[in-house]
Amino acid sequence: AQSVTQPDIHITVSEGASLELRCNYSYGATPYLFWYVQSPGQGLQLLLKYFSGDTLVQGIKGFEAEFKRSQSSFNLRKPSVHWSDAAEYFCAVTTGFQKLVFGTGTRLLVSP
Amino acid sequence: DGGITQSPKYLFRKEGQNVTLSCEQNLNHDAMYWYRQDPGQGLRLIYYSQIVNDFQKGDIAEGYSVSREKKESFPLTVTSAQKNPTAFYLCASSIDTTRFNEQFFGPGTRLTVL
Repeated sequence: AQSVTQPDIHITVSEGASLELRCNYSYGATPYLFWYVQSPGQGLQLLLKYFSGDTLVQGIKGFEAEFKRSQSSFNLRKPSVHWSDAAEYFCAVTTGFQKLVFGTGTRLLVSP
Repeated sequence: DGGITQSPKYLFRKEGQNVTLSCEQNLNHDAMYWYRQDPGQGLRLIYYSQIVNDFQKGDIAEGYSVSREKKESFPLTVTSAQKNPTAFYLCASSIDTTRFNEQFFGPGTRLTVL
């Protein structure tokens, strides 16, 4: 069965610094990969998704992610973090059917 | 504006009572989903529906029930059989379930059992 691992429960980044959130997946075939963001007490918003093609994917709010098949990873990056980026971030995988499997999330804290 | 609405935002229930969470979408999506979110566990799928009058169990369906009588609506009932119902519940929808289509999420309902 497919699974997603987000090894970092919490990450603290200074405002203006770069960010990388890690995501590793387990699935035998080509996965469809997603990053969602959740503000406290809110629903999830899609940041970006990877289906095929270019392994570097651009998303909203200045985020990007790189799919690395050899490492089974789909890490999320942002060159310069803003205080409004503080939220919880979820990586998810699907095999092409409708079932999304989520990681446990990484909470991002932004320090002044 | 198109989107997904969930009501109420906060819900309190006494032990032994059933409670129904509302989910409505005006995106004309065929597929709808219910997830449960607990701290440190991410989101887990409770039920999903691919089309009106059809639904399937997800990973943690025990103690929950759903109906899909209208395309726009997918209410979730948390029954007294659910042993630990306090959680944040999220509803989502997608165009359909063939290949992958992005799931759009509602704002959630926080259920607390007193």
